[in-house]
Amino acid sequence: DGGITQSPKYLFRKEGQNVTLSCEQNLNHDAMYWYRQDPGQGLRLIYYSQIVNDFQKGDIAEGYSVSREKKESFPLTVTSAQKNPTAFYLCASSEQGPHEQYFGPGTRLTVT
Amino acid sequence: KQEVTQIPAALSVPEGENLVLNCSFTDSAIYNLQWFRQDPGKGLTSLLLIQSSQREQTSGRLNASLDKSSGRSTLYIAASQPGDSATYLCAVYPIKAAGNKLTFGGGTRVLVKP
Repeated sequence: DGGITQSPKYLFRKEGQNVTLSCEQNLNHDAMYWYRQDPGQGLRLIYYSQIVNDFQKGDIAEGYSVSREKKESFPLTVTSAQKNPTAFYLCASSEQGPHEQYFGPGTRLTVT
Repeated sequence: KQEVTQIPAALSVPEGENLVLNCSFTDSAIYNLQWFRQDPGKGLTSLLLIQSSQREQTSGRLNASLDKSSGRSTLYIAASQPGDSATYLCAVYPIKAAGNKLTFGGGTRVLVKP
């Protein structure tokens, strides 16, 4: 079964704690992305990676970090420096270049 | 900077009526445009991708048109069903943006009443 998995589906953390969201894909895609979705706003790009061991900041990278050590995995860490971390986080992947993006089921993070 | 707008933000129709969803973008320099469906609390499902050289793309009851010169795309859903209730988002791949940076619209929330 090909696709993108994100875990966990729901995540609760206390303010000041770092938290890591998992994203795995078995589509053999080179490119992977992290988006954030807030109520009433469109999706905003946090980080993207076009190839293993390389990644770039998106539009709202402050307070987030990523790694891309394996082709199939692109974990996102939400650090304590992120001012408003409560949101719905979506991971996506695609072939390199302007190709169709495929999304995972999302992780809803709540920080109190 | 590319901006994508979807109007209206919400739409309610009776079952069986055709749905017409609009998407407009400010810069016609795009590689392609993608339509997505999102159910509450779920990820995005890709519906159709139209290349910049295409005028339309069809899949079952769905038909998407693209008029790049006027910066518009329309998603038509024929004979709507209650199962079509969801939020529909469009996104463009701007040619000028670095990397594969999709720019999303805010979405249109659709309710199909039985």
